[in-house]
Amino acid sequence: EVQLVESGGGLVQPGGSLRLSCAASGFTFSSSWMSWVRQAPGKGLEWVANIKPDGSGKYYVDSVKGRFTISRDNAKNSLYLQMNSLRAEDTAVYYCARDLFESWGQGTLVTVSS
Amino acid sequence: QAGLTQPPSVSKDLRQTATLTCTGNSNNVGNQGAAWLQQHQGHPPKLLSYRNNNRPSGISERFSASRSGNTASLTITGLQPEDEADYYCSAWDSSLSAWVFGGGTKLTVL
Repeated sequence: EVQLVESGGGLVQPGGSLRLSCAASGFTFSSSWMSWVRQAPGKGLEWVANIKPDGSGKYYVDSVKGRFTISRDNAKNSLYLQMNSLRAEDTAVYYCARDLFESWGQGTLVTVSS
Repeated sequence: QAGLTQPPSVSKDLRQTATLTCTGNSNNVGNQGAAWLQQHQGHPPKLLSYRNNNRPSGISERFSASRSGNTASLTITGLQPEDEADYYCSAWDSSLSAWVFGGGTKLTVL
């Protein structure tokens, strides 16, 4: 059974940093593209970033370029999102998703507020 | 980054057919087609269809997707109460090198 479990969310002040993790199991993680997608409270889905299976290619939505970094550790079947210079508008549930969005985690809530 | 365009809401009667639309451009929907996702309140999204009409295993045949030019469509036949949810389309945009989503359509089953 495919499982994606996000962790690392919480309350952080504007300008602060947070690192999200996504633990994957039940599929060949090292062969899968992985994405982070977020959803602000009461709003729609917004793709944040994705990463190639071997980590050699990374893509970002314009609003997070230069602030967020996606990475992965295929030996640990884990995906990460380092978020720096956080803003109020980054407040959202952050989901990790596999390949063409075929599997999703339950999400982790990030709240940016003073 | 410009997103895809979906109607905010659609209402249909039980057992009827609903068709949801998603309009993009030649760099996204018109290029590789769209994926469709269903999201019930308080739950993560679930993939219904990818690259137009490829259904993951376990997805009902009542859900079918298609594309005409830069517009993708999701047709749901024999509407059931459990089909009431938010529906999102998404496509890879080759000019942006980014996934773009539609704003979502809230489907109400009357």
